[in-house]
Amino acid sequence: AQTVTQSQPEMSVQEAETVTLSCTYDTSESDYYLFWYKQPPSRQMILVIRQEAYKQQNATENRFSVNFQKAAKSFSLKISDSQLGDAAMYFCAYRSAMNNNAGNMLTFGGGTRLMVKP
Amino acid sequence: EAQVTQNPRYLITVTGKKLTVTCSQNMNHEYMSWYRQDPGLGLRQIYYSMNVEVTDKGDVPEGYKVSRKEKRNFPLILESPSPNQTSLYFCASSPRTAYNSPLHFGNGTRLTVT
Repeated sequence: AQTVTQSQPEMSVQEAETVTLSCTYDTSESDYYLFWYKQPPSRQMILVIRQEAYKQQNATENRFSVNFQKAAKSFSLKISDSQLGDAAMYFCAYRSAMNNNAGNMLTFGGGTRLMVKP
Repeated sequence: EAQVTQNPRYLITVTGKKLTVTCSQNMNHEYMSWYRQDPGLGLRQIYYSMNVEVTDKGDVPEGYKVSRKEKRNFPLILESPSPNQTSLYFCASSPRTAYNSPLHFGNGTRLTVT
């Protein structure tokens, strides 16, 4: 079974600065997908960014980018120019590429609470 | 608007009193799933359904039931709730074979069992 670990329960960043959230995972599969979700106080689960394991290029979405290290099984999220609205819980998640429940289920890390200081 | 709708948003109940949390999606998705969120543990899968009349256990199914009589609905049933089921619950859906597509989540149900 796959596991996802987020080793930082809480992080803080000064507004306009850059912060990196860590995520590591364990799998024996070679094809899979990785996601970062944001959960603000409204409890919504908002997709921030996704990465296909077969792509070497790191995904970027505006101020959000990832550092995907497949051999190290590491998938960190970098937030540049942090804004007050970035304050939230962030979850890293793994999804298999298999054609069964594993291919639809997300395995989540424990989450990192990000605080943004004005 | 494409969405997953969960009700209620908040629910307080007592031990042993049966309850149902409803989930409905309007995107014609085959796959639906229930998760519970607990501090430090992230979200864990309770039950899932690959299509109508097909359901199976996830990682933490004890104390829960589900049914999938229609494609759009996937209710979560707690026949005899206990305090350890106090949690935040999410329903999610996706097309069955769109593995790189994100799951679509409902807005969550905060359940408290006293």
